Amino acid sequence: EDKVVQSPLSLVVHEGDTVTLNCSYEVTNFRSLLWYKQEKKAPTFLFMLTSSGIEKKSGRLSSILDKKELFSILNITATQTGDSAIYLCAVQIQGAQKLVFGQGTRLTINP
Amino acid sequence: SQTIHQWPATLVQPVGSPLSLECTVEGTSNPNLYWYRQAAGRGLQLLFYSVGIGQISSEVPQNLSASRPQDRQFILSSKKLLLSDSGFYLCAGGNYIGEQYFGPGTRLTVT
Repeated sequence: EDKVVQSPLSLVVHEGDTVTLNCSYEVTNFRSLLWYKQEKKAPTFLFMLTSSGIEKKSGRLSSILDKKELFSILNITATQTGDSAIYLCAVQIQGAQKLVFGQGTRLTINP
Repeated sequence: SQTIHQWPATLVQPVGSPLSLECTVEGTSNPNLYWYRQAAGRGLQLLFYSVGIGQISSEVPQNLSASRPQDRQFILSSKKLLLSDSGFYLCAGGNYIGEQYFGPGTRLTVT
């Protein structure tokens, strides 16, 4: 069975800290890995990763994929209270039209 | 890019009543469409997906059904709601490279 596992499930840090969120996967035929940020309502798309070792970056957020060890990390530097959210990782399977989601990491940034 | 519309935003229904949630997409044609349910503060469970009009794949046997009567319309239904159907329902549209974009969601409470 295809599986995506995120860790930690919950994380509380202070504003200005750097955080690393983890996503590991076991799937039959990997195509891509996606990261989403969910605040109050709909998840918003952050990154799609398909190749190992190539960092994707957007402002203070960055992400990288390791297809050999089957994981991805999402880094957030100089965290702000607006970064508080649930971060979701999902994997797309080759030939399938669907995503398999992890449980999410609830990140809380305290001022 | 595509925009996903969902309504209503919140819904309170008694046990045994019917359900109809509607999702429409604009900005693209022939999108893949998805219905997810999210438990409080957790990851997304895929319920149904559709790759075209009248084509529905069910991921989880349950009290719900889905239909796609038009290219950009996806409907989630139930004939008789159960307490366990309560949750946050998200509709998503997918593009050809596998990215998914989410609607604002419907919070359903079955009483």
